[in-house]
Amino acid sequence: KAGVTQTPRYLIKTRGQQVTLSCSPISGHRSVSWYQQTPGQGLQFLFEYFSETQRNKGNFPGRFSGRQFSNSRSEMNVSTLELGDSALYLCASSFVSDSGNTIYFGEGSWLTVV
Amino acid sequence: GESVGLHLPTLSVQEGDNSIINCAYSNSASDYFIWYKQESGKGPQFIIDIRSNMDKRQGQRVTVLLNKTVKHLSLQIAATQPGDSAVYFCAAGVQGGKLIFGQGTELSVKP
Repeated sequence: KAGVTQTPRYLIKTRGQQVTLSCSPISGHRSVSWYQQTPGQGLQFLFEYFSETQRNKGNFPGRFSGRQFSNSRSEMNVSTLELGDSALYLCASSFVSDSGNTIYFGEGSWLTVV
Repeated sequence: GESVGLHLPTLSVQEGDNSIINCAYSNSASDYFIWYKQESGKGPQFIIDIRSNMDKRQGQRVTVLLNKTVKHLSLQIAATQPGDSAVYFCAAGVQGGKLIFGQGTELSVKP
């Protein structure tokens, strides 16, 4: 079974631009969540989608948005990029069962804002 | 508020020894906990999870212990190997798929 797939793996953007990152969850997983990882702040929750609906949202400005499609694939968008948005953006997918809520991460998208 | 903290930012052990990484959480509503291993340049790799109705769970060479009374969990790695060198994160699950992460412990294994 393929893991969580994120594209692109690396990208460089200029301040003020926008970026869209893509995530394909593990087959059968309907929950997709996004995290930002930086050396200073660690891993921080951005938002979670389940069946095309945003179920949870972290404490990030409105410039960060996301969506989920009917096939569970998800995208996140960051508009008006700032230097501080440089980070590793991680997507995770999960399958909820009676035995747990196992959450698996992709390899991430490295975003550099210059 | 919600927070997860690790007791030590770094841990150095000799190859073959057992490693113990500790973590504390604040939210009593957390109903599951996950340990992840992250190697440089890669995403977090799932190691083991435990639900709040359990106090111990074992995997291959790893054991997670959960003490809900003092809101503490630990990851024990038996016979630590050089390939275990990485940053380890504990995460507390709240509200469905949302995880609150600790800052991570960097484990170094000396040959």
